[in-house]
Amino acid sequence: QAGLTQPPSVSKGLRQTATLTCTGNSNNVGNEGHAGAAWLQQNRGHPPKLLSYRNNNRPSGISERFSPSRSGNTASLTITGLQPEDEADYYCSAWDSSLGAWVFGGGTKLTVL
Amino acid sequence: EVHLVESGGGLVQPGGSLRLSCAASGLTFSNYWMDWVRQAPGKGLEWVANIKQDGSGQNYVDSVKGRFTISRDNAKNSLYLQMNGLRGEDTAVYYCARDLFGSGSYCGQGIQVTVSS
Repeated sequence: QAGLTQPPSVSKGLRQTATLTCTGNSNNVGNEGHAGAAWLQQNRGHPPKLLSYRNNNRPSGISERFSPSRSGNTASLTITGLQPEDEADYYCSAWDSSLGAWVFGGGTKLTVL
Repeated sequence: EVHLVESGGGLVQPGGSLRLSCAASGLTFSNYWMDWVRQAPGKGLEWVANIKQDGSGQNYVDSVKGRFTISRDNAKNSLYLQMNGLRGEDTAVYYCARDLFGSGSYCGQGIQVTVSS
């Protein structure tokens, strides 16, 4: 099953800004007529937690430091003021209209130095 | 407070079957799409299946089509995943989720499924 493309790792310093990217195609991330992209955070040994949905919406309780966006076939998650607790794996996902399924990226491991 | 508790996992031989259950509380279960998502050891997340609020529609990842069946019983606030023809590559932690990609997203703690002889 075709997936989305994410860089395997990103490292940034404390209080810096990290931008995570997720590249798909016109059937998933770039599809205007469907659910758009979502971002999830997962700490080791814990279930995933949704950070954003429909490209640029945050569920209640999610910090404004997490800013999702989308341009064409690429979704991005910008995390400002990095904190130690932001160190985690981040996954993007989108509904793929050609597959009739949700597809995930391989995940990006964010390290906060 | 929302609770999703998975059960029914364990060790099964290749070709065998398991039925996962997910008991929901603290939410109006029948209002939500429900999902199963899994994570193989040391690997990323993989969406498995979802089911519409009234059970009238289901979607599956290609790798489980024809082998897995998602269902729900709204009267019992329960979600199920019947897994037949299990393979080694189905070994994973399986998470039950409410509206995984929507505003009401919530995941259970997960349950281990191991397929091995």
